[in-house]
Amino acid sequence: DQQVKQNSPSLSVQEGRISILNCDYTNSMFDYFLWYKKYPAEGPTFLISISSIKDKNEDGRFTVFLNKSAKHLSLHIVPSQPGDSAVYFCAAGLISSGSARQLTFGSGTQLTVLP
Amino acid sequence: EAGVAQSPRYKIIEKRQSVAFWCNPISGHATLYWYQQILGQGPKLLIQFQNNGVVDDSQLPKDRFSAERLKGVDSTLKIQPAKLEDSAVYLCASSRRQGNEKLFFGSGTQLSVL
Repeated sequence: DQQVKQNSPSLSVQEGRISILNCDYTNSMFDYFLWYKKYPAEGPTFLISISSIKDKNEDGRFTVFLNKSAKHLSLHIVPSQPGDSAVYFCAAGLISSGSARQLTFGSGTQLTVLP
Repeated sequence: EAGVAQSPRYKIIEKRQSVAFWCNPISGHATLYWYQQILGQGPKLLIQFQNNGVVDDSQLPKDRFSAERLKGVDSTLKIQPAKLEDSAVYLCASSRRQGNEKLFFGSGTQLSVL
């Protein structure tokens, strides 16, 4: 049962335009959401996060939007740059035991920014 | 600050053989995680340590997988015996404290089981 879904395996965008990556989740108990970026042959690196009590978080060119009623979050990259080309994973966090929070990852979206 | 170190980088074994992966987290990070990432999927948590104690191993196939974190620093993940479906990238990650979702990942170990 995939609790976190990224339905677009790939996305191509022209340099300078906006990239929008989408993620849907099914478990309403998730209370924290994150985006990670992964380059080939490297581990994922943290990009941006948002708590379920917020609906928007911004960090430079990156903005994450959360729509709890639709169980949907999105990552906006403006403007997109060729160096943004990578696989983007969304992840959702849930308190599992004690204070441990387990992250569930989506399957990723390959973003290609064309020069 | 040095990142999360993992070795080996690649490993090829035959089914039913055993294999071990090593991880050294970022200095001072109390929480350590092992994830399995099968091609085309997102990382899946296998086990989480807080210092040298296991916090969550609910998704670890305990009949063949084992992990330890002696002295609360380095960690080793072992598979014995390996199956074809264990072919994946094994990622180690660490965070400053439990409940901190900002995980720092190593580059992973690419395992191929033939």
